[in-house]
Amino acid sequence: QVQLVQSGAEVKKPGASVKVSCKASGYTFTSYGISWVRQAPGQGLEWMGWISAYNGNTNYAQKLQGRVTMTTDTSTSTAYMELRSLRSDDTAVYYCARVMGYCSSTSCVNWFDPWGQGTLVTVSS
Amino acid sequence: SYVLTQPPSVSVAPGQTARITCGGNNIGSKSVHWYQQKPGQAPVLVVYDDSDRPSGIPERFSGSNSGNTATLTISRVEAGDEADYYCQVWDSSSDHYVFGTGTKVTVL
Repeated sequence: QVQLVQSGAEVKKPGASVKVSCKASGYTFTSYGISWVRQAPGQGLEWMGWISAYNGNTNYAQKLQGRVTMTTDTSTSTAYMELRSLRSDDTAVYYCARVMGYCSSTSCVNWFDPWGQGTLVTVSS
Repeated sequence: SYVLTQPPSVSVAPGQTARITCGGNNIGSKSVHWYQQKPGQAPVLVVYDDSDRPSGIPERFSGSNSGNTATLTISRVEAGDEADYYCQVWDSSSDHYVFGTGTKVTVL
């Protein structure tokens, strides 16, 4: 079955970096993109960005531009999300999700399925 | 940027129908997807492309989208449907995905 398994919880100090992994199985990794979504404690879902596992193209949320980098390793079917210059408000559960959908001649329609189990990143001095 | 507005909470008795709205400017021109998130768990897709259901999702979950409002309808609500629900679209003007503010469904 299709599965995304993420790395374990992290505790980081302000100003540090964190790199979260997301290992895919049960499908052809390079046929789909991976999105990253985070959720601060008690808050809603925030889209962080997307990476094509086919060619490595990325699209990052404007508010994270310059601090986030998404990569993939096709040899291990693993996606990575690195966030730098961590602040206390980066404390959140970080999720990866496979990007599903289709494109017409004018636009694309995409949704997220399935999701990884989530990785808690705590930023605290 | 594009904003999706959901009611913070919806309460419903078991066996009744819950309707969760997702408001956005001309949202009817976009494809809307819905996720269910239970406490401590990752979100799960329950409706995609306005009204399609992934395999394994009960027929009790249905979606519609027109004008400025998309709606997720849960028929014959069960205790296990208690969760947070989020809508999601693609905003072509910003080239970003956008989530709604989320709705907590409480089964009375």
